[in-house]
Amino acid sequence: GEDVEQSLFLSVREGDSSVINCTYTDSSSTYLYWYKQEPGAGLQLLTYIFSNMDMKQDQRLTVLLNKKDKHLSLRIADTQTGDSAIYFCAVMNNNAGNMLTFGGGTRLMVKP
Amino acid sequence: SAVISQKPSRDICQRGTSLTIQCQVDSQVTMMFWYRQQPGQSLTLIATANQGSEATYESGFVIDKFPISRPNLTFSTLTVSNMSPEDSSIYLCSAGGQDQPQHFGDGTRLSIL
Repeated sequence: GEDVEQSLFLSVREGDSSVINCTYTDSSSTYLYWYKQEPGAGLQLLTYIFSNMDMKQDQRLTVLLNKKDKHLSLRIADTQTGDSAIYFCAVMNNNAGNMLTFGGGTRLMVKP
Repeated sequence: SAVISQKPSRDICQRGTSLTIQCQVDSQVTMMFWYRQQPGQSLTLIATANQGSEATYESGFVIDKFPISRPNLTFSTLTVSNMSPEDSSIYLCSAGGQDQPQHFGDGTRLSIL
């Protein structure tokens, strides 16, 4: 089955850019998502990208997809303290009933 | 995007009891799912809630322990049966369409004493 990996932790200074990385194994994955989870809260969909795209930009967020290397990244420009949270990469395969496989999550800490 | 409401938002339950969690979506959706997030962990899919038929369970999850209903395209329930402390987790409902992203509810935080 699908395996999705993320680094556990990232620390940046306020105002810097953050880059959170994700790798996956199933080349037939169709949709790739980034979710944000703040303490005590559910998952908030931040952005997603279709597998036929290389890049998607949405305000401070930029998603890059390298299908050859099965690598997905999320760049947050001008990171703020309010961006401190756990970020989950999730991969969907339409051939697997639209289920999502989640990475382990990256805890982003933003220092003032 | 769909708005998903879950209730209860949290509960503390006694060992051996059962709890039913409700998930309501504000629009008709094709797909509804139930996930578990154990403390400090990522999300694991429990099952796909199928409208009008039995849920499809993932490996390690069985209907007797986690019965699921989905009577229509906007509502589903998950019951955690015969609870033990190992069932203490966050349970999350998600919903989406065939070519639409999945959105999540705020989850139900369950503690078993």
